[in-house]
Amino acid sequence: DQQVKQNSPSLSVQEGRISILNCDYTNSMFDYFLWYKKYPAEGPTFLISISSIKDKNEDGRFTVFLNKSAKHLSLHIVPSQPGDSAVYFCAASDYNTDKLIFGTGTRLQVFP
Amino acid sequence: KAGVTQTPRYLIKTRGQQVTLSCSPISGHRSVSWYQQTPGQGLQFLFEYFSETQRNKGNFPGRFSGRQFSNSRSEMNVSTLELGDSALYLCASSRERGGFYEQYFGPGTRLTVT
Repeated sequence: DQQVKQNSPSLSVQEGRISILNCDYTNSMFDYFLWYKKYPAEGPTFLISISSIKDKNEDGRFTVFLNKSAKHLSLHIVPSQPGDSAVYFCAASDYNTDKLIFGTGTRLQVFP
Repeated sequence: KAGVTQTPRYLIKTRGQQVTLSCSPISGHRSVSWYQQTPGQGLQFLFEYFSETQRNKGNFPGRFSGRQFSNSRSEMNVSTLELGDSALYLCASSRERGGFYEQYFGPGTRLTVT
């Protein structure tokens, strides 16, 4: 049972345009959401997070939006750069279990 | 500050054998979590150790076990290896238990079971 779903395995975007990566979850107990970025041969690195009490968090070119009623979050990257090409994982946790549940990842390719 | 290190980086084992993977967290970090990454499954949580105690466990069979030492270094053991255990095993450390917002990952150990 995949509690965190990233339904798009890949995304291709032109440099300078917006990249939108989506993530859906099923567990209403999740109260903290994170995005990680992973390059080949490296471990994931933390990118940005959002608490369930917010609906938006922004950090430079990266913005995460949370829609609790739809159990949906998205990561916007504006403007996209070739160096953003990587696999992006969304993850969620709930206070009770203290576990981090990851999605299956979306491979983003930014082309010139 | 040195990052999370994992050894070995690559490992090839045969079915039925057992394997031990090692993880050294960032200095000062007391929590170490282990994850399994496979194509199509993403990263799946194995367990978390904090101050030498297993604090949390994912849905993996008992063949997967771990421990943490007093210096916060952690080892993960998989016994009676199966072909499906082939994966990238990642460990992550954080200062506090369940401190996911400050979690740093190592490069992983690529295990291949033949």
